[in-house]
Amino acid sequence: SYELTQPLSVSVALGQTATISCGGNNIGNKNVHWYQQRPGQAPVLVIYRDINRPSGIPERFSGSNSGNTATLTISRAQAGDEADYYCLVWYSSAWVFGGGTKLTVL
Amino acid sequence: QVQLVESGGGLVKPGGSLRLSCAASGITFSDYYMGWIRQAPGKGLEWISYISSGGSTTYYSDSVKGRVTISRDNARHSLYLQMNNLRADDTAVYYCARDAGNWYFDLWGRGTLVTVSS
Repeated sequence: SYELTQPLSVSVALGQTATISCGGNNIGNKNVHWYQQRPGQAPVLVIYRDINRPSGIPERFSGSNSGNTATLTISRAQAGDEADYYCLVWYSSAWVFGGGTKLTVL
Repeated sequence: QVQLVESGGGLVKPGGSLRLSCAASGITFSDYYMGWIRQAPGKGLEWISYISSGGSTTYYSDSVKGRVTISRDNARHSLYLQMNNLRADDTAVYYCARDAGNWYFDLWGRGTLVTVSS
């Protein structure tokens, strides 16, 4: 099986830059997707195939993927960005989610 | 309006069965692969099942294999999840989601809560 490792929590000051990592063996060779989930709501796709933003997602959200780590970067963090974030990869006919990271905007 | 709406959740006793449904609107349902993902209370997301656009190919996670069957009715724009021999650790919100075509999910329903308890 394939495992994805995310930090449990990340804090960021209002207006600063947050980075959320997703670690996996040679994850740089896979497509990584990121979801935002606010409390009580369904997940929303914010980055797909490593670096792409769906329509309606602010440019402040960006992604990268290399080696054993994929990263979601949120620039100029806003109070509304406070949420849980999950990475996702497809591996061997199965979909694997990271454990999720709670982003707190201070 | 483009949306997925799940239904069929509720309270069921351990060992019981439940059938979840997901109604699609605003999309050409038959064009898309679909999946089910669940989230236990206070926990993360867990993929559990997936079906091809025509229904001929299905995948299951090890945690539900043998107890769960995914199916679809393209004429009714609907996706289903038959769950049998339910256990307490199946308690979760169950989401249906659309595969964008590149092995990720771009459209999610709001979920339906399944509670397994005596």
